[in-house]
Amino acid sequence: DTEVTQTPKHLVMGMTNKKSLKCEQHMGHRAMYWYKQKAKKPPELMFVYSYEKLSINESVPSRFSPECPNSSLLNLHLHALQPEDSALYLCASSQLYRGVGQPQHFGDGTRLSIL
Amino acid sequence: DAKTTQPPSMDCAEGRAANLPCNHSTISGNEYVYWYRQIHSQGPQYIIHGLKNNETNEMASLIITEDRKSSTLILPHATLRDTAVYYCIVRVSVEAAGNKLTFGGGTRVLVKP
Repeated sequence: DTEVTQTPKHLVMGMTNKKSLKCEQHMGHRAMYWYKQKAKKPPELMFVYSYEKLSINESVPSRFSPECPNSSLLNLHLHALQPEDSALYLCASSQLYRGVGQPQHFGDGTRLSIL
Repeated sequence: DAKTTQPPSMDCAEGRAANLPCNHSTISGNEYVYWYRQIHSQGPQYIIHGLKNNETNEMASLIITEDRKSSTLILPHATLRDTAVYYCIVRVSVEAAGNKLTFGGGTRVLVKP
């Protein structure tokens, strides 16, 4: 079991649907991350939130909309996705502390299929 | 961030030590070396990290060369459950922006009975 919980584990949606992915952690981490992982490829960073503010957006299309309502929760709102957006979406969290490398803790992801 | 180079795959025998190499010849003085692994159908799992000194925890040991241009992750007694893709990542920690990790191709490790 991981300390970062992602729901749902699997999601199938049509291109016109609106859905949300959720991520929760209770480790007191103040940085949270979204990654996208295509089959047989490494994870790719999408967004970083630090202290509940968006600090990094890796040029992600606007059909992906992140939200960090509080320090424990991270959402990814999905709208008008394309079939190529089918992937494993991973959430992670970490401490924020200058000068010391802080590891990220990952959830097991949401496997998203776009019809 | 410094680029890392890892062998694409390697096999190791169950019960034996597994030594996973990583080259990071352009690493700078404030960059850490992180190791993560990803078991099939799971999210990446943090293993260990270090800056200059060798490190050991309950999962593995990290040996960093004196010039910091390469490192080796050692799994002391590999088990079948250690079969995974292992990623070596070099990254400076930036507090305000979070710790941006760039995953490379990794090494696909197969532990055989």
